[in-house]
Amino acid sequence: ETVLTQSPGTLSLSPGERATLSCRASQSFTSSYLAWYQQKPGQAPRLLMYGTSIRATGIPDRFSGSGSGTDFTLTISRLEPEDFAVYYCHQYGSSLPVTFGQGTKVEIK
Amino acid sequence: QVQLVQSGAEVKKPGASVKVSCKASGYSITSNAIQWVRQAPGQRLEWMGWINAGNGNTKYSQKFQGRVTITRDTSASTVYMELSRLRSEDTAVYYCARGILYFDFWGQGTLVTVYS
Repeated sequence: ETVLTQSPGTLSLSPGERATLSCRASQSFTSSYLAWYQQKPGQAPRLLMYGTSIRATGIPDRFSGSGSGTDFTLTISRLEPEDFAVYYCHQYGSSLPVTFGQGTKVEIK
Repeated sequence: QVQLVQSGAEVKKPGASVKVSCKASGYSITSNAIQWVRQAPGQRLEWMGWINAGNGNTKYSQKFQGRVTITRDTSASTVYMELSRLRSEDTAVYYCARGILYFDFWGQGTLVTVYS
């Protein structure tokens, strides 16, 4: 099983600041198989990125993804008020079971 | 627009079974897969299994093998997830999501509470 470890656990930032979220895998896998989701309290996760760097439909371009091998990053260039949420990385397809990171909470400083 | 609408919250006793439904609209259910993911309080998302809604093939996480069954009714555009031999640790929000690889649309979640 590929274990995904996200860091930091919590990121305290102000609107307008840049957020950098990390996702590290316990074993290397194809970067085509890495996605990111945003989850707000009481809501289902929402797909942000897939294939490491492809934005899902309707996702603004302040969100970007990068990485390969075992290290992946989600960057939010300038935080908007609606971006404060929990973010999960997700690896799929390289081997079952698909797995998720434990999440990074982006909170208002 | 694509929507996945799940059945309502359930309260079950240990040892019982629960069956959660996920009704799809806005697309042909047979053209894609439906995955089931759960989230226990304060825990990360956990994948349970998936069904190819076109041919009915399923794949389950080893963790749930033998306890979970995913089925579909194409005429009703609905997928079902049944979890048996429930224990307190199965208390969680259960989500269905569309997708073979990444999950682009999610149901609203169904809270299943297991307690005696």
